[in-house]
Amino acid sequence: DQQVKQNSPSLSVQEGRISILNCDYTNSMFDYFLWYKKYPAEGPTFLISISSIKDKNEDGRFTVFLNKSAKHLSLHIVPSQPGDSAVYFCAATSSGSGGYQKVTFGIGTKLQVIP
Amino acid sequence: DAGITQSPRHKVTETGTPVTLRCHQTENHRYMYWYRQDPGHGLRLIHYSYGVKDTDKGEVSDGYSVSRSKTEDFLLTLESATSSQTSVYFCATKLTANTEAFFGQGTRLTVV
Repeated sequence: DQQVKQNSPSLSVQEGRISILNCDYTNSMFDYFLWYKKYPAEGPTFLISISSIKDKNEDGRFTVFLNKSAKHLSLHIVPSQPGDSAVYFCAATSSGSGGYQKVTFGIGTKLQVIP
Repeated sequence: DAGITQSPRHKVTETGTPVTLRCHQTENHRYMYWYRQDPGHGLRLIHYSYGVKDTDKGEVSDGYSVSRSKTEDFLLTLESATSSQTSVYFCATKLTANTEAFFGQGTRLTVV
């Protein structure tokens, strides 16, 4: 039973437009959320995170929105660039899992930014 | 980036043989993790360590064991490899529990 769901396996966006990647979670104990980006033949790299006490966190072109009541978060990339083409993993953890020791990942969304 | 080295990077092994994957870090991070990545499943936690000699199971730990005798090394052993363990394995480290994870480049393991 997937506790972190990324229902869109892939997404194509034109360069310069907004990319919106979605993530849903089922475990109400999750209180910290992260996004990782992965290029082929490389390990994932951390992108941005958000605590459940916030509903938005911004870092440059990347913004994560959290809707706790809907158990939904989204990653917005504006403007999208060809170098953003990668697989994006949504991840979640909780203070209850040994104080954020364990992190649960979604299956990923492959983003393609078309020049 | 944390200096994380996984070895080997690629391995082909036969069913029934034991296999050990090594993760070495140079950043003195307390937490170390082993994940596997499979199509349709994303990253799934196999085992993790919260200190030297302190380990715990993840969601897909059957058939795997780990050891951490030094801060910098975390070994993953497949006791008797099966074809279902064909996967890409990632090691990750965290300085503290509530910080982001740094990942190694992965080990592609094929069990034939």
